[in-house]
Amino acid sequence: GQQLNQSPQSMFIQEGEDVSMNCTSSSIFNTWLWYKQEPGEGPVLLIALYKAGELTSNGRLTAQFGITRKDSFLNISASIPSDVGIYFCAGPLAGGTSYGKLTFGQGTILTVHP
Amino acid sequence: DAGVTQSPTHLIKTRGQQVTLRCSPISGHKSVSWYQQVLGQGPQFIFQYYEKEERGRGNFPDRFSARQFPNYSSELNVNALLLGDSALYLCASSLAGTGRTEQYFGPGTRLTVT
Repeated sequence: GQQLNQSPQSMFIQEGEDVSMNCTSSSIFNTWLWYKQEPGEGPVLLIALYKAGELTSNGRLTAQFGITRKDSFLNISASIPSDVGIYFCAGPLAGGTSYGKLTFGQGTILTVHP
Repeated sequence: DAGVTQSPTHLIKTRGQQVTLRCSPISGHKSVSWYQQVLGQGPQFIFQYYEKEERGRGNFPDRFSARQFPNYSSELNVNALLLGDSALYLCASSLAGTGRTEQYFGPGTRLTVT
């Protein structure tokens, strides 16, 4: 089945540093979504990507849809303590009306030291 | 506008019991999806409902069922609970029919089976 592999699994950084994480798949995706989840809460949508090669920003966050359609990248610039959380990539499962069915990566845990 | 709401927030049940979880989508969203998230993993797709019809089902046993009401709210039912059903159950809504895959999640219901 379709699987999304995220790396790194966890990151420990100092406040002010930039962060990069990625998500890869053996299958082609037509959409990539990036979510952030904090303890006790549901995932919050950060960025949505719909075209290969697309580069989209949301404040200090920038995400890219890989040219091969099999990967995506998320960068966070000048990290702050509130960036702490688990970052998930997600994409629609194949088949039928896939817009309601997402498969998720295993997440990247981000810790920011003040 | 209110986001996706879920009830209850927390629930403790005993093995063999049945549970019903509820979800109200964002106003105007007609598609609701359910996900199970066990500790340390990304959400796993359970069901998608659109216009009161099941449009997709993940790899979950028949003990899991759901329905969607005319007002687009939804219920997830789990029968004969097992210890392994302990998880965070997430509901997500989306603007179906637009070709866009963005889903917005509620805070989840934390189910503990003892």
